[in-house]
Amino acid sequence: KQEVTQIPAALSVPEGENLVLNCSFTDSAIYNLQWFRQDPGKGLTSLLLIQSSQREQTSGRLNASLDKSSGRSTLYIAASQPGDSATYLCAVKNFNTDKLIFGTGTRLQVFP
Amino acid sequence: KAGVTQTPRYLIKTRGQQVTLSCSPISGHRSVSWYQQTPGQGLQFLFEYFSETQRNKGNFPGRFSGRQFSNSRSEMNVSTLELGDSALYLCASSPSIEPRTEAFFGQGTRLTVV
Repeated sequence: KQEVTQIPAALSVPEGENLVLNCSFTDSAIYNLQWFRQDPGKGLTSLLLIQSSQREQTSGRLNASLDKSSGRSTLYIAASQPGDSATYLCAVKNFNTDKLIFGTGTRLQVFP
Repeated sequence: KAGVTQTPRYLIKTRGQQVTLSCSPISGHRSVSWYQQTPGQGLQFLFEYFSETQRNKGNFPGRFSGRQFSNSRSEMNVSTLELGDSALYLCASSPSIEPRTEAFFGQGTRLTVV
């Protein structure tokens, strides 16, 4: 059974710092991994999608990497800003089930 | 291009009642999935529909049901509401059932059962 873990659960950093969020999964039989952002009480905003054959994806200040063999992905946020404050979720799509399995999220606060 | 639209945004219901939530996917998207989000359990998959057929179902009791219409809009229904059904219900749409496609989520419906 696929299990997705995100560390740390919460993170508070000053503005301008570069930071790394971690996501690990137990079953490497995945189609892809997707990173989402969720603001309080709101829905999910897709940030990056990495296919299982890819090693990384970049969008603006965000860079996500995927190491399928070790069951890990990282989301790198450069030059963090207060507007980046949100909960970040990773989700994998497994072979055979075709459903997204989510991690528990990392709650990020960036203070001025 | 409009995103995924969920209505209503907020609902308050009494135990024992039933509720229907609606989801309109992104134009041209034919796959719709539903997820329940609670503080204790996180995000859990409910079901997936494509071409008016349920393709996948999560581990939820039969009180949770859904359907999809020919225009790809989807509804989910919860009967005999329990306090534990209070949650944020999220709908996601994808262009097809091709598993490598990206999922796009709506703003959710916040259901409170009192």
